[in-house]
Formats: sequence, C-alpha cells, structure tokens
Amino acid sequence: DQQVKQNSPSLSVQEGRISILNCDYTNSMFDYFLWYKKYPAEGPTFLISISSIKDKNEDGRFTVFLNKSAKHLSLHIVPSQPGDSAVYFCAASEIGGATNKLIFGTGTLLAVQP
Amino acid sequence: KAGVTQTPRYLIKTRGQQVTLSCSPISGHRSVSWYQQTPGQGLQFLFEYFSETQRNKGNFPGRFSGRQFSNSRSEMNVSTLELGDSALYLCASSLVTDYTGYTFGSGTRLTVV
Repeated sequence: DQQVKQNSPSLSVQEGRISILNCDYTNSMFDYFLWYKKYPAEGPTFLISISSIKDKNEDGRFTVFLNKSAKHLSLHIVPSQPGDSAVYFCAASEIGGATNKLIFGTGTLLAVQP
Repeated sequence: KAGVTQTPRYLIKTRGQQVTLSCSPISGHRSVSWYQQTPGQGLQFLFEYFSETQRNKGNFPGRFSGRQFSNSRSEMNVSTLELGDSALYLCASSLVTDYTGYTFGSGTRLTVV
C-alpha cells in the first residue's frame, strides 16, 4: 500500500520555465512533508519541507504547496535550471512520530532542457 | 564537517550468501536510519537506531537486521540473499528528530547474482 504517491515518473521542462512536481498521500496522520533531490550515484539531499499547519513554504526558487483537504502537495521550481535535473522524492512523516521514519514516494525524474 | 559514510560503495554477492553494510554517521548524530531503494519502489524504510536501540522497523523480513554501536556507527546485515535484494541501500543520520538535518550517505549498491 503506497501511502505517498508520485504519479508522474518523469517530467521535461524548458530552462527558465516553471517545473511543477506533484505528490499525493493517503494517510491523514501525516503532519510533516519534505522534498528531496537525488542525483545518480549520490544520496538524496534535503530540499524543502512544510508542516501541516502551513499551506505554503518558500525557499528561493523552490516553493512547496500543501492542500490538506485534497491530501496533495506540490513543488514549484521557478525558474528551472539545467542543474535542477534530478530525481525528486516526496516524503512524509506521522503525527507524534518519535522516530525518524519517513515514507517516500517513488520519485519523479525532472529533465530541464537548455 | 564530514558527511555520512557508507562502505562499501558497490558489492556483488551470490544468492544465499549474507552481507554486512556499514554506515558512519555525521559526528554527533545519534540517529541512523536505513532505506532500500529499488526502481519503481522509491525508498523503503528498513529500520532506525538511536543510542544503540532499534526504535522503529519497516516491513521487511527477518533476514534484514541491523545494529548500532556506542560510537553511533551502524551496520545492517542481510542473510540468505535473494535476487530481489539487489538495490541501493542508503543510510541517513540526524541529531534527534530533525528532518532538515537528515543527511543521507551515497549508498551501497548491492547486486545479487
């Protein structure tokens, strides 16, 4: 049972345009959401996060939006750059989680074309 | 500061064998978590150790085990390897429960033949 879903395995965007990566979740107990970026042969690196008490968090070119009623979050990258080409994972954690357990989606491969 | 170090980077084993993977967390980090990444499955949580105690375990068979030492270094062991165990095994360390400080190593690529 996939509690965190990224339904788009891949996305191609032109340099300078907006990239929108989507993520859906099913567990209403999730209260914290994160996005990680992963290059080949490297471990994932933390990108941005959002608490369930917020609906938006922004960090430079990256903005994450959370729609709790729809159990949906999205990552916007504006403007997209070729260096953003990587696999992006959405992850979630449960309310009151006393341990570092994250539930990851299957990832979206973003390709930014020059 | 030094990052999370995983050894070895690559490993080829035969079905039925066992394997031990190592993870050295960032200095001062006491929590170490392990994940398995396979194509199409994303990252699947294996277990988490904190101060030498397993705090949480994912939905994996008992062939997968781990431990943590007093210096926070962690090992995971897979016994009786199966072809389906071929994956990238990642460990992540953090201070306590601070996901922004959740740093991953580069992983160990295990191939079972």
